[in-house]
Amino acid sequence: DTEVTQTPKHLVMGMTNKKSLKCEQHMGHRAMYWYKQKAKKPPELMFVYSYEKLSINESVPSRFSPECPNSSLLNLHLHALQPEDSALYLCASSQRQGYTEAFFGQGTRLTVV
Amino acid sequence: SQKIEQNSEALNIQEGKTATLTCNYTNYSPAYLQWYRQDPGRGPVFLLLIRENEKEKRKERLKVTFDTTLKQSLFHITASQPADSATYLCALEGSQGNLIFGKGTKLSVKP
Repeated sequence: DTEVTQTPKHLVMGMTNKKSLKCEQHMGHRAMYWYKQKAKKPPELMFVYSYEKLSINESVPSRFSPECPNSSLLNLHLHALQPEDSALYLCASSQRQGYTEAFFGQGTRLTVV
Repeated sequence: SQKIEQNSEALNIQEGKTATLTCNYTNYSPAYLQWYRQDPGRGPVFLLLIRENEKEKRKERLKVTFDTTLKQSLFHITASQPADSATYLCALEGSQGNLIFGKGTKLSVKP
């Protein structure tokens, strides 16, 4: 199984809503990542978890809250988002942080209204 | 600061020709460089990784070169097909072990 599964595929939420994005991998990878991608831009790193501990937080606003319940799961909790937070949110994993290739999920297309 | 440039925002070629995409970097000496393919609305898909001590790497119709003196990687698709149309991203390892992506080159292969 070389898949990274993200749910939901699409999400529309209001600025006062609380929602969560979920990511799952069963490749035994110990590094997991959240990226944000705006239209016609490259993916931008948000968070890195290494061995279930937060390793990198790229100065992301606190309205985004990551969580890594176990080595296979990664969540991104969303609260009080702004319309400019609308983007494609990508989860990725790799054997370990900084090691070879990353496997990406299909992404969650988030629209904040 | 580390900078990655993919000089062409878009590249249009005829089916059967070789597509050549360029990735340049500055203020950096990466141990390896990677290329990814991304289709609209989908996550990037890993294609090839080349290490600093490798000059060239091949995979089927794909070829990547890595010139650490010029600080440049070239990505070639030979005998291109319309199905190769996508955005191609080069990526370097950042100082914290994360990937830093170039802006990408959108390749269009016309039949």
